[in-house]
Amino acid sequence: ETTVTQSPASLSMAVGEKVSISCKTSTDIDDDMNWYQQKSGEAPKLLISEGNTLRPGVPSRFSSSGYGTDFVFTINNVLLGDEGIYYCQQSDNVPYTFGAGTKLELK
Amino acid sequence: QVQLKETGPDLVQLTQTLSITCTVSGFSLTTYNVHWVRQPPGKGLEWMGAMWNGGGTDYNSAFKSRLSISRDTSKSQVFLKMNSLQTDDTAKYFCASHNYGSYSFDYWGQGVMVTVSS
Repeated sequence: ETTVTQSPASLSMAVGEKVSISCKTSTDIDDDMNWYQQKSGEAPKLLISEGNTLRPGVPSRFSSSGYGTDFVFTINNVLLGDEGIYYCQQSDNVPYTFGAGTKLELK
Repeated sequence: QVQLKETGPDLVQLTQTLSITCTVSGFSLTTYNVHWVRQPPGKGLEWMGAMWNGGGTDYNSAFKSRLSISRDTSKSQVFLKMNSLQTDDTAKYFCASHNYGSYSFDYWGQGVMVTVSS
């Protein structure tokens, strides 16, 4: 089973700043990493899919990079509406494990 | 338009069996895969298992033999059954799916919150 270690657990940022979230996997997963945003009471929303692919309709402020075992998710020019919890998830092998999540708060 | 909707009980008694149905529309279960993911209150996401488009299944070993996933393609429904429920099975249960050729969960139901009561 691939373990996904996500950091940090929480972030407090000001509008306009840059957000970076790291996920490290215990096995090589190529680029089979996904990034989700979850707002309170809602289902997760896929922002970036395998191959660091931005999903249709997701602003280009969101991006990701990485291959193998080290991955980074970035939000440039963070906005108030970006508050929520962000999860990474590997889809290389079952079980499709998630990171523990990063709670993003805006000051 | 792809949609998924979970239906199930709000409350289940300790040691009893949980049954949840995921009804899908906008795609065929013989084309897209359906997964189950759960989220305890205030906690993170946990992948439980999958019903593959070919009819096979995979399960998270964390659920050992408690979990069963099945489907009725004629009704566009996927079923989750989990027995021997404990209080730490209290969670919101989601079904999710993805586009053909990808394993990223593009589509999610709204989830059903299940409380296990003693």
